[in-house]
This record gives sequence, structure tokens and C-alpha cells, in this order.
Amino acid sequence: AQSVTQPDIHITVSEGASLELRCNYSYGATPYLFWYVQSPGQGLQLLLKYFSGDTLVQGIKGFEAEFKRSQSSFNLRKPSVHWSDAAEYFCAVWGDYKLSFGAGTTVTVRA
Amino acid sequence: NAGVTQTPKFQVLKTGQSMTLQCAQDMNHEYMSWYRQDPGMGLRLIHYSVGAGITDQGEVPNGYNVSRSTTEDFPLRLLSAAPSQTSVYFCASSPGTGGEQFFGPGTRLTVL
Repeated sequence: AQSVTQPDIHITVSEGASLELRCNYSYGATPYLFWYVQSPGQGLQLLLKYFSGDTLVQGIKGFEAEFKRSQSSFNLRKPSVHWSDAAEYFCAVWGDYKLSFGAGTTVTVRA
Repeated sequence: NAGVTQTPKFQVLKTGQSMTLQCAQDMNHEYMSWYRQDPGMGLRLIHYSVGAGITDQGEVPNGYNVSRSTTEDFPLRLLSAAPSQTSVYFCASSPGTGGEQFFGPGTRLTVL
């Protein structure tokens, strides 16, 4: 069975600074990987996905993620954070007809 | 398109009561699923369906039933609610297996 680990429960970043969220996955075959964002009291919105091909994936809102098979990682990055990026971020891996989520990382943006 | 819709948005139940959480999608998606979200645990899959008439269990299926009589609808039934089922429930759909899942707005359920 697949699994996802997000090592950071909470990250605080200053507005305009860069952001990196870590994600490690476990899956026996080539993974389908996703990052979702959830604003307070809202549903989940897809930021980006990796199925195959280029290991650097561009998403919405200026986010990107890099797939590293050797490290079983799919870290999310943004060069310059905006106050509206404050939210909870979830990494997920698809396998065996199921989408498995990490526990999430909450991002706080300070002025 | 309305996308994925869920009703109700909020619900309070007493222990032992039953209820059905409704989920519908108008995108003709074959794959539908139910998750529960609890603090510090992310989203956990309850049940899923790869098409009308086909359902299967996810990670945390105990205490929940589902059926899929049409492509559009995928209701989640709690037969005898327990306080441990207090959670936020999300329904999602996808055109096929492995693709992006589109999430509904969620139902916040409290069991007293």
C-alpha cells in the first residue's frame, strides 16, 4: 500500500520570501503525485500533478514541484509567497484505485 | 457545470441516529470517492466507486455504507452514528482512475 509523509506540520514564512514544502512518498511502481491546497473552511483545490515526463512540474498560483525518484520526494516550491498563500497543503499519491494523502502542512504568512 | 455538490453543509446527530450524506456530480465522471478529514490526519479514504454498480472499501470503511446506482450520485450512509464519526466529509470525482480528483465543498458532521 502507498503512503505519504509530510515532515513539516507547520511552517511560518514572511511575505515575499521563498517557500518549500516537503513530501516523501512510498509506492512500488511509478507514482502519480499531486499537491492540493485547502484554504480555511474550504474544499481542496489542485495545485499541480505529476504523471510522467519532465520532473519539474508547473502549477497554478506560481507553484512548482520537483519529482525525485531516487529520494522518493515531490517537494513543492514557490519563489515569493503572498499573504493569500496562507493555507493547508496536502501531498497525495495515487495507487491501487486510491488516492492517499499526507497529514498536511499548514503555512502561515507573516507581513 | 455545478461540479461536485454535497448536502447538507452542516449536520448534528445524536449517537445511534442514522443519516445519509448526499454527493452528486454533473461531469459524467466514472470514479467517485468519500473521504473524512480529521485534524493532523489529512484525508482518509472511506469508500470509492469506479463506476455505477461498483463500490469498494477504502482505508476507514467501518460504520459507513455506500451505493452507486447512477453515474451522478454517490451517497454515504451512517447506519448508527458514533462520536468517533465527528469529522468533515468530502466527496470527490474523477474522469477515470488516476486522474485529478475534483472535490466538493464538504459536510461538517458532529455526533453528540
